[in-house]
Amino acid sequence: DAGITQSPRYKITETGRQVTLMCHQTWSHSYMFWYRQDLGHGLRLIYYSAAADITDKGEVPDGYVVSRSKTENFPLTLESATRSQTSVYFCASRDRLGSYEQYFGPGTRLTVT
Amino acid sequence: DAKTTQPPSMDCAEGRAANLPCNHSTISGNEYVYWYRQIHSQGPQYIIHGLKNNETNEMASLIITEDRKSSTLILPHATLRDTAVYYCIVRVSRSGGGADGLTFGKGTHLIIQP
Repeated sequence: DAGITQSPRYKITETGRQVTLMCHQTWSHSYMFWYRQDLGHGLRLIYYSAAADITDKGEVPDGYVVSRSKTENFPLTLESATRSQTSVYFCASRDRLGSYEQYFGPGTRLTVT
Repeated sequence: DAKTTQPPSMDCAEGRAANLPCNHSTISGNEYVYWYRQIHSQGPQYIIHGLKNNETNEMASLIITEDRKSSTLILPHATLRDTAVYYCIVRVSRSGGGADGLTFGKGTHLIIQP
Protein backbone atom coordinates (compact mmCIF):
# COMPACT_ATOMS: atom_id res chain seq x y z
CA ASP A 1 0.00 0.00 0.00
CA ALA A 2 1.24 3.46 -0.82
CA GLY A 3 1.72 5.96 1.95
CA ILE A 4 3.01 5.80 5.49
CA THR A 5 2.18 2.93 7.80
CA GLN A 6 2.88 2.18 11.43
CA SER A 7 2.92 -1.08 13.31
CA PRO A 8 1.67 -2.23 15.65
CA ARG A 9 -1.37 0.02 15.95
CA TYR A 10 -1.86 -0.95 19.59
CA LYS A 11 0.65 -2.30 22.07
CA ILE A 12 0.56 -3.10 25.76
CA THR A 13 3.86 -3.81 27.45
CA GLU A 14 5.32 -3.98 30.93
CA THR A 15 7.70 -1.60 32.60
CA GLY A 16 11.31 -2.42 31.76
CA ARG A 17 10.58 -4.23 28.50
CA GLN A 18 12.09 -3.22 25.20
CA VAL A 19 9.57 -2.17 22.57
CA THR A 20 10.08 -1.23 18.92
CA LEU A 21 7.56 0.77 16.95
CA MET A 22 7.83 0.49 13.20
CA CYS A 23 7.30 3.14 10.55
CA HIS A 24 7.39 2.57 6.81
CA GLN A 25 6.84 5.01 3.95
CA THR A 26 6.63 4.31 0.24
CA TRP A 27 7.35 7.79 -1.16
CA SER A 28 11.15 7.70 -0.72
CA HIS A 29 10.89 10.88 1.34
CA SER A 30 14.22 11.96 2.76
CA TYR A 31 12.91 13.24 6.06
CA MET A 32 11.16 11.19 8.70
CA PHE A 33 9.96 12.12 12.17
CA TRP A 34 8.66 10.58 15.38
CA TYR A 35 6.22 12.49 17.59
CA ARG A 36 4.38 11.57 20.75
CA GLN A 37 1.01 12.97 21.71
CA ASP A 38 -0.19 13.21 25.29
CA LEU A 39 -3.19 14.99 26.78
CA GLY A 40 -2.20 18.50 27.73
CA HIS A 41 1.00 18.50 25.69
CA GLY A 42 -0.04 18.26 22.08
CA LEU A 43 2.44 16.67 19.70
CA ARG A 44 6.09 16.71 20.68
CA LEU A 45 9.01 15.77 18.46
CA ILE A 46 11.11 12.84 19.71
CA TYR A 47 13.62 12.24 16.91
CA TYR A 48 13.97 13.04 13.25
CA SER A 49 16.07 11.89 10.34
CA ALA A 50 17.21 13.79 7.27
CA ALA A 51 18.31 10.68 5.34
CA ALA A 52 19.44 7.12 5.85
CA ASP A 53 22.02 6.93 8.64
CA ILE A 54 21.39 10.55 9.68
CA THR A 55 19.31 11.08 12.80
CA ASP A 56 18.97 13.84 15.36
CA LYS A 57 17.21 14.52 18.64
CA GLY A 58 14.02 16.46 18.93
CA GLU A 59 12.34 17.97 21.96
CA VAL A 60 11.87 14.80 24.08
CA PRO A 61 14.45 12.13 23.07
CA ASP A 62 15.29 10.64 26.48
CA GLY A 63 14.48 6.95 26.75
CA TYR A 64 14.21 6.45 22.99
CA VAL A 65 16.57 5.16 20.31
CA VAL A 66 16.14 5.40 16.55
CA SER A 67 17.91 4.03 13.52
CA ARG A 68 17.52 4.49 9.80
CA SER A 69 19.40 1.97 7.73
CA LYS A 70 16.96 2.26 4.82
CA THR A 71 15.24 5.38 3.52
CA GLU A 72 11.77 3.88 3.84
CA ASN A 73 11.99 2.66 7.44
CA PHE A 74 12.41 4.58 10.68
CA PRO A 75 11.93 2.37 13.76
CA LEU A 76 11.62 3.83 17.24
CA THR A 77 12.82 1.73 20.18
CA LEU A 78 12.02 2.17 23.83
CA GLU A 79 14.97 0.37 25.40
CA SER A 80 13.39 0.01 28.85
CA ALA A 81 9.78 1.17 28.79
CA THR A 82 8.44 3.33 31.61
CA ARG A 83 4.87 4.29 32.47
CA SER A 84 5.59 7.87 31.43
CA GLN A 85 6.08 6.60 27.89
CA THR A 86 2.44 5.59 27.67
CA SER A 87 1.32 7.71 24.73
CA VAL A 88 0.19 7.78 21.14
CA TYR A 89 3.15 7.78 18.77
CA PHE A 90 3.01 9.26 15.29
CA CYS A 91 5.51 8.85 12.51
CA ALA A 92 5.69 11.40 9.69
CA SER A 93 7.68 12.03 6.54
CA ARG A 94 8.29 14.84 4.08
CA ASP A 95 10.07 15.35 0.83
CA ARG A 96 13.53 16.94 0.86
CA LEU A 97 12.70 19.66 -1.60
CA GLY A 98 9.20 20.28 -0.38
CA SER A 99 7.84 22.60 2.22
CA TYR A 100 6.80 21.57 5.71
CA GLU A 101 3.97 19.52 4.31
CA GLN A 102 4.40 16.46 6.47
CA TYR A 103 2.48 13.24 6.01
CA PHE A 104 1.55 11.43 9.18
CA GLY A 105 0.93 7.78 9.85
CA PRO A 106 -2.15 6.50 11.69
CA GLY A 107 -0.36 6.27 15.05
CA THR A 108 0.54 3.59 17.56
CA ARG A 109 -1.18 3.62 20.93
CA LEU A 110 1.30 2.32 23.49
CA THR A 111 0.38 1.46 27.05
CA VAL A 112 3.11 0.65 29.57
CA THR A 113 1.80 -1.14 32.67
CA ASP B 1 9.45 30.30 15.06
CA ALA B 2 6.67 32.77 15.73
CA LYS B 3 4.04 31.92 18.32
CA THR B 4 0.43 31.49 17.25
CA THR B 5 -2.82 32.10 19.12
CA GLN B 6 -6.05 30.28 18.27
CA PRO B 7 -9.42 30.08 20.01
CA PRO B 8 -9.71 26.79 21.90
CA SER B 9 -13.02 25.82 20.32
CA MET B 10 -15.59 26.86 17.72
CA ASP B 11 -18.94 25.64 16.46
CA CYS B 12 -20.21 25.79 12.91
CA ALA B 13 -23.43 24.57 11.30
CA GLU B 14 -23.15 21.88 8.68
CA GLY B 15 -23.14 23.34 5.17
CA ARG B 16 -21.96 26.74 6.30
CA ALA B 17 -18.48 28.17 5.91
CA ALA B 18 -16.19 27.60 8.87
CA ASN B 19 -13.76 30.46 9.48
CA LEU B 20 -10.90 29.62 11.81
CA PRO B 21 -8.74 32.55 12.95
CA CYS B 22 -5.08 32.50 13.89
CA ASN B 23 -3.02 35.30 15.32
CA HIS B 24 0.72 35.36 14.60
CA SER B 25 1.67 38.94 15.35
CA THR B 26 5.41 38.18 15.69
CA ILE B 27 5.74 36.46 12.32
CA SER B 28 8.90 37.32 10.40
CA GLY B 29 9.29 37.86 6.69
CA ASN B 30 10.49 34.38 5.79
CA GLU B 31 7.98 32.44 7.86
CA TYR B 32 5.11 30.58 6.27
CA VAL B 33 1.71 29.88 7.79
CA TYR B 34 0.73 26.20 7.79
CA TRP B 35 -2.57 24.62 8.71
CA TYR B 36 -3.02 21.04 9.79
CA ARG B 37 -5.98 19.24 11.27
CA GLN B 38 -6.35 16.15 13.39
CA ILE B 39 -9.52 14.14 13.31
CA HIS B 40 -10.10 12.13 16.45
CA SER B 41 -7.74 9.13 16.77
CA GLN B 42 -6.01 9.87 13.48
CA GLY B 43 -2.66 11.39 12.57
CA PRO B 44 -2.50 15.09 11.69
CA GLN B 45 -3.33 15.97 8.11
CA TYR B 46 -1.80 18.82 6.11
CA ILE B 47 -4.40 21.28 4.79
CA ILE B 48 -2.73 24.31 3.24
CA HIS B 49 0.07 26.81 3.64
CA GLY B 50 0.96 30.29 2.45
CA LEU B 51 3.48 33.12 2.74
CA LYS B 52 1.61 36.33 1.98
CA ASN B 53 -0.83 35.69 -0.85
CA ASN B 54 -4.17 34.06 -0.30
CA GLU B 55 -4.17 30.39 -1.19
CA THR B 56 -6.88 27.92 -2.16
CA ASN B 57 -6.89 24.20 -2.70
CA GLU B 58 -9.49 21.46 -2.81
CA MET B 59 -9.80 21.41 0.95
CA ALA B 60 -9.74 25.02 2.06
CA SER B 61 -8.78 28.64 1.53
CA LEU B 62 -6.19 30.57 3.47
CA ILE B 63 -6.56 34.29 3.85
CA ILE B 64 -3.50 36.14 5.21
CA THR B 65 -3.82 39.78 6.21
CA GLU B 66 -1.67 42.31 4.45
CA ASP B 67 0.51 42.86 7.52
CA ARG B 68 0.74 39.04 7.92
CA LYS B 69 -0.06 39.28 11.62
CA SER B 70 -3.10 37.06 11.33
CA SER B 71 -4.75 34.58 9.01
CA THR B 72 -8.05 32.76 8.55
CA LEU B 73 -8.59 29.23 7.37
CA ILE B 74 -11.89 28.86 5.54
CA LEU B 75 -13.68 25.56 5.00
CA PRO B 76 -16.29 26.68 2.48
CA HIS B 77 -19.00 24.08 3.09
CA ALA B 78 -18.34 22.35 6.37
CA THR B 79 -19.47 18.77 6.82
CA LEU B 80 -19.66 16.60 9.93
CA ARG B 81 -16.38 14.98 8.84
CA ASP B 82 -14.63 18.33 9.27
CA THR B 83 -15.01 18.08 13.04
CA ALA B 84 -11.39 18.05 14.20
CA VAL B 85 -8.67 20.00 15.96
CA TYR B 86 -7.15 22.57 13.61
CA TYR B 87 -3.57 23.70 14.11
CA CYS B 88 -2.06 26.92 12.82
CA ILE B 89 1.75 26.69 12.64
CA VAL B 90 4.25 29.31 11.62
CA ARG B 91 7.48 28.00 10.23
CA VAL B 92 10.46 29.01 8.15
CA SER B 93 10.47 26.95 4.98
CA ARG B 94 13.98 26.02 4.01
CA SER B 95 13.87 24.30 0.67
CA GLY B 96 16.37 21.47 0.55
CA GLY B 97 17.25 21.70 4.21
CA GLY B 98 15.99 21.85 7.75
CA ALA B 99 14.88 18.49 9.02
CA ASP B 100 13.48 19.65 12.33
CA GLY B 101 9.83 18.99 12.91
CA LEU B 102 6.71 21.03 13.41
CA THR B 103 5.66 22.59 16.69
CA PHE B 104 1.99 21.94 17.37
CA GLY B 105 0.14 24.11 19.86
CA LYS B 106 -3.27 23.30 21.29
CA GLY B 107 -5.19 24.30 18.16
CA THR B 108 -8.90 25.00 17.73
CA HIS B 109 -11.42 22.23 18.27
CA LEU B 110 -13.94 22.80 15.50
CA ILE B 111 -17.29 21.10 16.02
CA ILE B 112 -19.64 20.91 13.06
CA GLN B 113 -23.23 20.81 14.22
CA PRO B 114 -25.86 18.94 12.15
